Amino acid sequence: NAGVMQNPRHLVRRRGQEARLRCSPMKGHSHVYWYRQLPEEGLKFMVYLQKENIIDESGMPKERFSAEFPKEGPSILRIQQVVRGDSAAYFCASSPPMYTGGDTEAFFGQGTRLTVV
Amino acid sequence: DQQVKQNSPSLSVQEGRISILNCDYTNSMFDYFLWYKKYPAEGPTFLISISSIKDKNEDGRFTVFLNKSAKHLSLHIVPSQPGDSAVYFCAASGGATNKLIFGTGTLLAVQP
Repeated sequence: NAGVMQNPRHLVRRRGQEARLRCSPMKGHSHVYWYRQLPEEGLKFMVYLQKENIIDESGMPKERFSAEFPKEGPSILRIQQVVRGDSAAYFCASSPPMYTGGDTEAFFGQGTRLTVV
Repeated sequence: DQQVKQNSPSLSVQEGRISILNCDYTNSMFDYFLWYKKYPAEGPTFLISISSIKDKNEDGRFTVFLNKSAKHLSLHIVPSQPGDSAVYFCAASGGATNKLIFGTGTLLAVQP
């Protein structure tokens, strides 16, 4: 029973490098959400994607961050020119089609912990 | 603008007693509320949800109560067990995109 798979689990990058975080949704799920958890804070919504479409990116920082969910392969969250403030846990969640909030819960992966040194 | 608030960062309860975790929200357009449990270094795990048209939902030891007029919900765990020790997040959703708005979490410690 493969759940939402995120890799890598831990990622260390030097300031100025690029970080790529991957998320494979559960089988049959076509909706992907990315959330970020800064230390001592709750999870903050970043972006919502369906296959080949960005539906809501209202939580994405305006610069350096991008996300995609191609027809084939995992969803990718890309952070260019990372800074120390990008250090956080990044969680991906997936849901099946016709997800309407509480009708069925979104399933979360175990997260990628990004450390910028 | 914190739309979902959990004002108690931590709670300590004796095993076998009731745990009550609270959550307040400001946006009356939310139509679903969810509780997630999170262990360190793991992703959140769904516990229970409630629609805004209901005032109570129960699943085993977990019950969620919703008071729309007060914009308040609570999660009751009875009886509490040491394995319930974790961070509990309240979340709300509504609108076209179904994104979840999370509170900052409450760390529950159940003492044996």
